[in-house]
Amino acid sequence: LAKTTQPISMDSYEGQEVNITCSHNNIATNDYITWYQQFPSQGPRFIIQGYKTKVTNEVASLFIPADRKSSTLSLPRVSLSDTAVYYCLVGTYNQGGKLIFGQGTELSVKP
Amino acid sequence: EPEVTQTPSHQVTQMGQEVILRCVPISNHLYFYWYRQILGQKVEFLVSFYNNEISEKSEIFDDQFSVERPDGSNFTLKIRSTKLEDSAMYFCASSPVARDSYEQYFGPGTRLTVT
Repeated sequence: LAKTTQPISMDSYEGQEVNITCSHNNIATNDYITWYQQFPSQGPRFIIQGYKTKVTNEVASLFIPADRKSSTLSLPRVSLSDTAVYYCLVGTYNQGGKLIFGQGTELSVKP
Repeated sequence: EPEVTQTPSHQVTQMGQEVILRCVPISNHLYFYWYRQILGQKVEFLVSFYNNEISEKSEIFDDQFSVERPDGSNFTLKIRSTKLEDSAMYFCASSPVARDSYEQYFGPGTRLTVT
């Protein structure tokens, strides 16, 4: 499984765009990049998943360069409720495959 | 929107006692998982379950742990003789069979405190 590296913590203010970058230098050809969000005392929640280029949904955008050795989760116009831990996961998720979480990035959004 | 539910939300038990944590996965999902998170640490995979048998288990999931799907809706995790180090949040998750399992739906967790 590809090892991921992301900042331990980030601070932002309401209304700003937040970009969290994850490094995964040894990503394999069949690996997908997945991001999860976890609020305090809650279970992780799937945000977005991609393989290459750009993916956008109603919550976030995911930018993946051509070499796929890193990825950036972009949260537009964050609010206080976006304060959470964000996890970058890389792997080939065959049906029933486990998720391997790292330490994640603790995002703190301030008023 | 369908949700994974877990009971109880908080369980306090004495060391050496057996505990059963219960989960009701999303009804049309067929893959089920247990994860745990010790306070301040990362989420750790314990076990995955499909078609009434364990698909994969981690080193944490030793002989003290077992899982069961006793009926069509519940999915349980049993710890036979709890240790202090079993204190953690335990999360159940499920995923549908038709899609890759990177999108797993987690329950709110059961906080297990072993004293």
